This record gives sequence, C-alpha cells and structure tokens, in this order.
Amino acid sequence: DAGVTQSPTHLIKTRGQQVTLRCSPKSGHDTVSWYQQALGQGPQFIFQYYEEEERQRGNFPDRFSGHQFPNYSSELNVNALLLGDSALYLCASSLGGGGDGQPQHFGDGTRLSIL
Amino acid sequence: QKEVEQNSGPLSVPEGAIASLNCTYSDRGSQSFFWYRQYSGKSPELIMFIYSNGDKEDGRFTAQLNKASQYVSLLIRDSQPSDSATYLCAVKGPFSGGYNKLIFGAGTRLAVHP
Repeated sequence: DAGVTQSPTHLIKTRGQQVTLRCSPKSGHDTVSWYQQALGQGPQFIFQYYEEEERQRGNFPDRFSGHQFPNYSSELNVNALLLGDSALYLCASSLGGGGDGQPQHFGDGTRLSIL
Repeated sequence: QKEVEQNSGPLSVPEGAIASLNCTYSDRGSQSFFWYRQYSGKSPELIMFIYSNGDKEDGRFTAQLNKASQYVSLLIRDSQPSDSATYLCAVKGPFSGGYNKLIFGAGTRLAVHP
C-alpha cells in the first residue's frame, strides 16, 4: 500500500525563481493538504485541495498556488521565491474532504533552499 | 496567545521511565486532536488521535483529553532511546464544510537516555 509520495526530495533555487513541488496521496485518499515547516517550528497550513478545488487556505500570499488533478495528485507552485521560503514543504493526504476522525498522513517532504 | 502551545523542551527522561508530553489549545470548539512524532530531518508520523474526553491507549502510548481545560497530553510508558524525537500536537477545529485544517504546536523535543 503506497504511502504519500513527494518529489523532488531536495531543491535549491535562487531568489525570484519559481518552483513546483509534487505530491501523490496515499492509496484511497482523495484530499491533499500542503504545509510549510520552517526549522524549529511546527508545520503551517498552506492550503487544502479536494475534488480538484482549493477548499481552505492559510495565511500565505498569492505567490503560493496549487492544483489537484483528477487522479488526486497535487502540485504546489511558489512564484518570486524569497529567502524566507526556505523550508520543508510537506504534503498530507486524507479521505473524504474532511470530517472528524480523518487523520492526515504525511509524505517525506521536499526540502527547499533559496540562495 | 498561540492557538496550540507546547513546551519546547528538551524533556529528558531515563530509559524505562514514563514520558509525559503536554499541549494546550485556545479554540474551545476544537474537535479532534492528534499526536505526531518527527525524527530529525524526517516528516511527521501519526502516533495517535483522540476525539472524546478521557484516555485512549495504544501499546505504550496513552493520549489524554480534557476539553473543559483545553488540554491534551501524551504519555509514553517504558520509554526507549528510539522514542527520542520531537512530538507535535495538532488540533483540528470545528467540523464545517468538510474542512480538515490542522493547527500544529511547535513541538516538544524528547530525549530518552540509557
């Protein structure tokens, strides 16, 4: 049973560039959430996708955008990269668009470094 | 006031002892509570979740929830050096429209020494 998979594992970019991160949810899951985790902090919610739509968004600027495909996989795009965007980006999948009792399972993350 | 608060630690316990990790949350309407373990450089791994007041046990782990006090805790019995990690408390708010946003604390670092 495949878990949540993310690619790439590591990425180095420079300020002003754009980046796309990818996520495939756990088998049977249809909801994907993205989180940003800075060093020494807990993950911060970016947004969630369900039925190919953004269902909820955290306090992140419009430079952060995403997409969900019919096969439930998802992409996170970040434009005009800033030094402060350096972090571990985590994808989490769950079932049924929410509802109590649906835990989220995380992928291994993409570590993004901005030079 | 932070939405989810945890003592950053490190919490140091000897091998075989009980480790007690605590978490408080500010939104009284929160419905679901999760504990994740995160090893250094790795992603969070779900350990337990709890929805109702009281205790929930799974192996060496016990989660305790007190909604009146807005407090959730994780007990680890017979602590092992392999339990050394950062433990993240996460809270999901009231169910509304099927949303599933998790709010995390900053984590408590646990060190189990032989």
